[in-house]
Amino acid sequence: DSGVTQTPKHLITATGQRVTLRCSPRSGDLSVYWYQQSLDQGLQFLIQYYNGEERAKGNILERFSAQQFPDLHSELNLSSLELGDSALYFCASSTGGGSTDTQYFGPGTRLTVL
Amino acid sequence: EDQVTQSPEALRLQEGESSSLNCSYTVSGLRGLFWYRQDPGKGPEFLFTLYSAGEEKEKERLKATLTKKESFLHITAPKPEDSATYLCAVQAYSGAGSYQLTFGKGTKLSVIP
Repeated sequence: DSGVTQTPKHLITATGQRVTLRCSPRSGDLSVYWYQQSLDQGLQFLIQYYNGEERAKGNILERFSAQQFPDLHSELNLSSLELGDSALYFCASSTGGGSTDTQYFGPGTRLTVL
Repeated sequence: EDQVTQSPEALRLQEGESSSLNCSYTVSGLRGLFWYRQDPGKGPEFLFTLYSAGEEKEKERLKATLTKKESFLHITAPKPEDSATYLCAVQAYSGAGSYQLTFGKGTKLSVIP
């Protein structure tokens, strides 16, 4: 158990809908990262927040957005969902977000878009 | 653009048959190379971080090594419970004070009793 929690574990929805994924980092960690993992693409970095502020952006679509709240939990919002958005979504956290920080991953949310 | 290539894509070993997994990388300003283990449907589990060429780290039957262009994960006398996908990732500076992990696609290891 990494100490990172994610809800829900599974999510099934229809195309065009909007969903919200939630992540609670390990106690004391200030950075939260979101990743998407699909069969053909592997783990792709989406976005990082550090202490409530956006720190870095990766391959995140404009239909996706995220935020980190004062209690440091984070939410990833996915809208206008398409079949291709079906994937595992992981949250990771680290102490600071510096160059030598280790990222610890949560158990993931499996999103299925029908 | 940072690139990480892992080989082989899949590896089947008999229990007790030692082998190595390879991770080759192209990155500007490597700050660390990470190995993770991932079981099906689960989140990646941290194994090792290597920071400089020549560094080695061990944990039970696993040993990770690093050169300037690649890393190896050596598995000695594997057991069926070592079956998993092993992911390699490089951490590099991505601008504005941030560092990003770029992952390889992984090596799926199966250890047969």
